[in-house]
Amino acid sequence: AQTVTQSQPEMSVQEAETVTLSCTYDTSESDYYLFWYKQPPSRQMILVIRQEAYKQQNATENRFSVNFQKAAKSFSLKISDSQLGDAAMYFCAYRSNTGTASKLTFGTGTRLQVTL
Amino acid sequence: EAGVAQSPRYKIIEKRQSVAFWCNPISGHATLYWYQQILGQGPKLLIQFQNNGVVDDSQLPKDRFSAERLKGVDSTLKIQPAKLEDSAVYLCASSLNQDLLGTFGSGTRLTVV
Repeated sequence: AQTVTQSQPEMSVQEAETVTLSCTYDTSESDYYLFWYKQPPSRQMILVIRQEAYKQQNATENRFSVNFQKAAKSFSLKISDSQLGDAAMYFCAYRSNTGTASKLTFGTGTRLQVTL
Repeated sequence: EAGVAQSPRYKIIEKRQSVAFWCNPISGHATLYWYQQILGQGPKLLIQFQNNGVVDDSQLPKDRFSAERLKGVDSTLKIQPAKLEDSAVYLCASSLNQDLLGTFGSGTRLTVV
């Protein structure tokens, strides 16, 4: 079974600064996806960025980028130029790309605070 | 397009009572998921439907939880009887098919006292 570990329960960053959230995972599969989701107080899970395991190039979406280290099974999220609206819970998630399994396996989350 | 609708938004019940949650997925989405998110944890899949058939219910506590999607559209998740440890947010998500990533609703927060 796949597991996802987020070792930082809380992080804090000043507005306009950069912060990195860590995630490690364990799997025996070679074909899979990794995701970062944002969950604001509204509770809706919002996709921030995705990475396909067979792509070596790190994904980027505006101020969000990842550092994907497949051999180390590490998948960190970097938020540049942090904004007050970035404050939320962030979850790292794994999805297999083999067979019919399409469920997401989530980590325990990191609460990000953004200060002035 | 309209998002995934869930109701109620909040529910408080006493232990041993029954409760039901409702999910209306995005129109045309064949795949529907129910996740349970206990406070301080990430969401955990309870059940996945493809149209009105069950694809994965391996983590659904079947002695007390049940779910149905009779016409392949709306879905209900029921707990009978509820336990204190069932207090959680129940999230519904849907996607066009199981190869695509789902869109989440805002969930139902259940408190069992």
